[in-house]
Amino acid sequence: DGGITQSPKYLFRKEGQNVTLSCEQNLNHDAMYWYRQDPGQGLRLIYYSQIVNDFQKGDIAEGYSVSREKKESFPLTVTSAQKNPTAFYLCASSGGRPMNTGELFFGEGSRLTVL
Amino acid sequence: AQSVTQPDIHITVSEGASLELRCNYSYGATPYLFWYVQSPGQGLQLLLKYFSGDTLVQGIKGFEAEFKRSQSSFNLRKPSVHWSDAAEYFCAVVGAGTASKLTFGTGTRLQVTL
Repeated sequence: DGGITQSPKYLFRKEGQNVTLSCEQNLNHDAMYWYRQDPGQGLRLIYYSQIVNDFQKGDIAEGYSVSREKKESFPLTVTSAQKNPTAFYLCASSGGRPMNTGELFFGEGSRLTVL
Repeated sequence: AQSVTQPDIHITVSEGASLELRCNYSYGATPYLFWYVQSPGQGLQLLLKYFSGDTLVQGIKGFEAEFKRSQSSFNLRKPSVHWSDAAEYFCAVVGAGTASKLTFGTGTRLQVTL
């Protein structure tokens, strides 16, 4: 079955450490996204990529970094510069053929807790 | 800039009762509109979407939504709620035919009492 796989589902980190969240899709979608979710704040866009080797900052990119070396993969690194990294992180993709309607397909999420 | 407002943070309904979740959007041109549902600790699942045509759209799990351009609304409805519908619901908008990013509302948490 096609879909989006995020790993790990749960992650604990000490302050000052960088962590990388994995996101892989086999939907052949061009665009991929990372969202952060906090209670009562909905989804906020961190980074997005519309094509391989290109990505743009979203609304809350500070303290995060991404790469898009392959169409299928869009890993997110939460750096030590992120002041409040404890959150639920969601990866998504879009880009059906023949037209990208903007509909997003989501992974199951990764919950990061900073100790 | 596009925006979405979900005025109800939390709604409680009895099982078997009808449900309406409100969504108002702001977008200058033709929007594409979506409703997503999220169970605790899970990703989001698409319930339904509106692109064009009939303003009443049907989705999965017995949900429907009506697009009212004059009111800039896209309210989600269900005639009879089941306990398994308890979840968080998100409305989202994107510009039709653009490469824009989806804008999400802050969500409405639905609680179902037995």
